[in-house]
Amino acid sequence: DAGVIQSPRHEVTEMGQEVTLRCKPISGHNSLFWYRQTMMRGLELLIYFNNNVPIDDSGMPEDRFSAKMPNASFSTLKIQPSEPRDSAVYFCASSFTVTLRQYSNQPQHFGDGTRLSIL
Amino acid sequence: AQSVTQPDIHITVSEGASLELRCNYSYGATPYLFWYVQSPGQGLQLLLKYFSGDTLVQGIKGFEAEFKRSQSSFNLRKPSVHWSDAAEYFCAVGADSSASKIIFGSGTRLSIRP
Repeated sequence: DAGVIQSPRHEVTEMGQEVTLRCKPISGHNSLFWYRQTMMRGLELLIYFNNNVPIDDSGMPEDRFSAKMPNASFSTLKIQPSEPRDSAVYFCASSFTVTLRQYSNQPQHFGDGTRLSIL
Repeated sequence: AQSVTQPDIHITVSEGASLELRCNYSYGATPYLFWYVQSPGQGLQLLLKYFSGDTLVQGIKGFEAEFKRSQSSFNLRKPSVHWSDAAEYFCAVGADSSASKIIFGSGTRLSIRP
C-alpha cells in the first residue's frame, strides 16, 4: 500500500518567495497533520485536519503560514512570504480517527518529509 | 495537559548489547502511548503502541515497551541491538483535547558502537 506521499522532497528558494508543500494522505485516513522539525525545537505540530476540516491550528507560527485540505486525498501547506527561519523539515502524517469526541488515538503514518531551505 | 519527557538526549551502546530508552509521561487517565523511530532523512515510523490491556507491548524490529502506571513510564527495550538500529527514537502520548492529537517527546538519538 502507498504510504503518505509528500512533494517536493527538497526545496531551496530565496526569502520572500512563496513556498507550497504538498501531501497525499493514505487512502481511507480521515485525519491529516502537518509537523515541522528543527534541531532547536524538535517536532512541532502545526495544524491538523479531520474530515478535511481544520481542527487545531494553534501551532501555526504566524499568518505567513496557511494550510488547506480541499479534499480527502490532498493537502497543502503554504508559506508566503518565506523567511530563512522557516528552514526545516516539514512532515505530513495521516491517521484514521473513529470519532472526534472520543479518545481513540490511532497511530499516525508519516511521509518522508520536505526539506526546506530558505536562503 | 499531557507531556512527554525523554531524559536521554543521546545514548551509545555496543552492537549486541541490550538497550533501554526512557520515557516518562504526564497524564491524568490511562494514556495512549507510542514509540516511533526516525532514520536519517526519513519520516517517523511506528514501532509499537499501548492503548490498554497487557502492559508489555511487542513491536516491530524486536522492540518492546512496558507501561508502568506507578512510575508514569513507558520505556523502550531491545535485548540485542543491531547497527541498523541507530536512529532517533520518539516517545509520544495521545492528547485528550482531541481524538487525534499526539504529543511527541524531544527524542533520543541512539548510536551503535561496532
